[in-house]
Amino acid sequence: DIVMTQSPDSLAVSLGERATINCKSSQTILYSSNKKNCLAWYQQKPGQPPKLLIHWASTRESGVPDRFSGSGSGTDFTLTITSLQAEDVAVYYCQQYFTTPRTFGQGTKLEIK
Amino acid sequence: QVQLVQSGAEVKKPGASVKVSCKASGYIFTSYYLHWVRQAPGQGLEWMGTINPRSGSTTYAQSFQGRVTMTRDTSTSTVYMEQSSLRSDDTAVYYCARGGSILMWFGEFDHWGQGTLVTVSP
Repeated sequence: DIVMTQSPDSLAVSLGERATINCKSSQTILYSSNKKNCLAWYQQKPGQPPKLLIHWASTRESGVPDRFSGSGSGTDFTLTITSLQAEDVAVYYCQQYFTTPRTFGQGTKLEIK
Repeated sequence: QVQLVQSGAEVKKPGASVKVSCKASGYIFTSYYLHWVRQAPGQGLEWMGTINPRSGSTTYAQSFQGRVTMTRDTSTSTVYMEQSSLRSDDTAVYYCARGGSILMWFGEFDHWGQGTLVTVSP
């Protein structure tokens, strides 16, 4: 199975500042046909299902604010939130969809400092 | 718009079975994989398996093999997840989620059901 490891487990950032969450896969998740990584980022707020933010490691989902961005290659990926807003408080998960079992990172809890 | 609507909360005794439904609308039901993901209280997301709604073929996570069965009814655009031999550690919120096109194995989970709480208690 591909293991997805996120860091840190929790993060406190001041409003208006940058938040960075890292995700590392235990093996490559590169789809050779389009040269894109099968990596998604989700946001989950309490009592709600996860919401897709980013797919193909860096493609923002329609309607997601542009302060959210994804990057990375190989086995190392990053979710960056520039200018943190109060509504961004949530748990964030990375996921690989390259193979089964589909696996998620353990989650990163983002709070306001 | 795409919607996945799940059945309501369940309370079961250890050893019993539960069947959760997920009704899809707003898109061609047989064109996209549907996945099941569960989340124990205060814990992360755990993928359980997937079903191809067109063929009915399934792939399960190793940890659920033999205890989970996923089926679909194309006449009502509904998928089902049945779990047997329930234990207290199966207490969780169970989500269905739409995955990628059946023409391509890869696909993020772009729409999710609202979740169904299954409580296993003596």
